Amino acid sequence: GQNIDQPTEMTATEGAIVQINCTYQTSGFNGLFWYQQHAGEAPTFLSYNVLDGLEEKGRFSSFLSRSKGYSYLLLKELQMKDSASYLCALTRGSYIPTFGRGTSLIVHP
Amino acid sequence: GAVVSQHPSRVICKSGTSVKIECRSLDFQATTMFWYRQFPKKSLMLMATSNEGSKATYEQGVEKDKFLINHASLTLSTLTVTSAHPEDSSFYICSATALAGGHNEQFFGPGTRLTVL
Repeated sequence: GQNIDQPTEMTATEGAIVQINCTYQTSGFNGLFWYQQHAGEAPTFLSYNVLDGLEEKGRFSSFLSRSKGYSYLLLKELQMKDSASYLCALTRGSYIPTFGRGTSLIVHP
Repeated sequence: GAVVSQHPSRVICKSGTSVKIECRSLDFQATTMFWYRQFPKKSLMLMATSNEGSKATYEQGVEKDKFLINHASLTLSTLTVTSAHPEDSSFYICSATALAGGHNEQFFGPGTRLTVL
């Protein structure tokens, strides 16, 4: 089976940096997705990590350590619109992602 | 990126009625689509994999006679919630896989909010 763990909720200040962690236990690991989901909307793709290391995309970066079963999503220069749920998802051989419960990020002024 | 649409976006129905939700891939063909269910503040739960031209593959615990899936073409999958009850009220999301940036990526529809009275 798989086990994906993320913090339930985080708060941060506008303009700050926040790191959302995701730890997992699985077999047959292919890659790890991060999605953003605003309330009542579908998830939108943020990043996909297959190899160890940091992938940077503008204000968002994602890190993966396959040996440690660990990933994080780093959000810089936080904006109010970044308030959302952030979902960590694993893919195995079938490439169908299995989602963690998500981390609700609240950005306040 | 690839676009997936869902219809309707919101539906309210009486207990005992059946509700059909459509999922379309607009600018690509999808031999496989996926149906998820999401309760408030909970994660996405995969219900079934919809395969074009063949039977859907249901996840453990999902009643196939309750949630009928038909994938009649390469761009359309439908989910029918039969004899809906209040406990079926949820956010239903479909997705389709397309190649993007060198990897298989899931493109999600906007979701359908079902409320059963």
